[in-house]
Amino acid sequence: DVKVTQSSRYLVKRTGEKVFLECVQDMDHENMFWYRQDPGLGLRLIYFSYDVKMKEKGDIPEGYSVSREKKERFSLILESASTNQTSMYLCASTQSNEKLFFGSGTQLSVL
Amino acid sequence: AQSVTQLGSHVSVSEGALVLLRCNYSSSVPPYLFWYVQYPNQGLQLLLKYTSAATLVKGINGFEGEFKKSETSFHLTKPSAHMSDAAEYFCAVSENTGFQKLVFGTGTRLLVSP
Repeated sequence: DVKVTQSSRYLVKRTGEKVFLECVQDMDHENMFWYRQDPGLGLRLIYFSYDVKMKEKGDIPEGYSVSREKKERFSLILESASTNQTSMYLCASTQSNEKLFFGSGTQLSVL
Repeated sequence: AQSVTQLGSHVSVSEGALVLLRCNYSSSVPPYLFWYVQYPNQGLQLLLKYTSAATLVKGINGFEGEFKKSETSFHLTKPSAHMSDAAEYFCAVSENTGFQKLVFGTGTRLLVSP
């Protein structure tokens, strides 16, 4: 089975800190995604990547950046964390137009 | 732009009762439609998908999805609810493209009582 691993289940940071969320997949998938999940809003796409060093903005990229130096790893970066970035962050990957495989999520709290 | 609307943020059923979760979509091209399920403290996993073949799609765990173009709907059903079905369910739509850039609905939490 495909495994998508997010490095932290829970994370607490302070306003203004630089935050890195890491995601690793073990199935050599081309495409990787970062979503945030908020109650009543569902999942919203932040950034996605269809190849190493390639990235595309999703629907809510403001305040975020990403890095994909290796195929298996896709990092989400909060340059200066703010309280409105408190959320559940979900990473996902897929090879083609088949199903997305999701990680278990990182619950980030920014105080 | 594509979008999906899930009717009802919470649905409560008794064990053994019919489960019906509603999803309506908006898309300018023939859509791909999906239902994902999220169990507590887990990521999402695919239940079933519609990709313009049969209008009735069978998924895992006894769930079915019915596509109705005239109603722009893709509702999720299960004849008999089980306690283990309690979870949050998300409907999603994507364009018919090479990889999945999904637009998700806001989710419906299914509560199953004994």
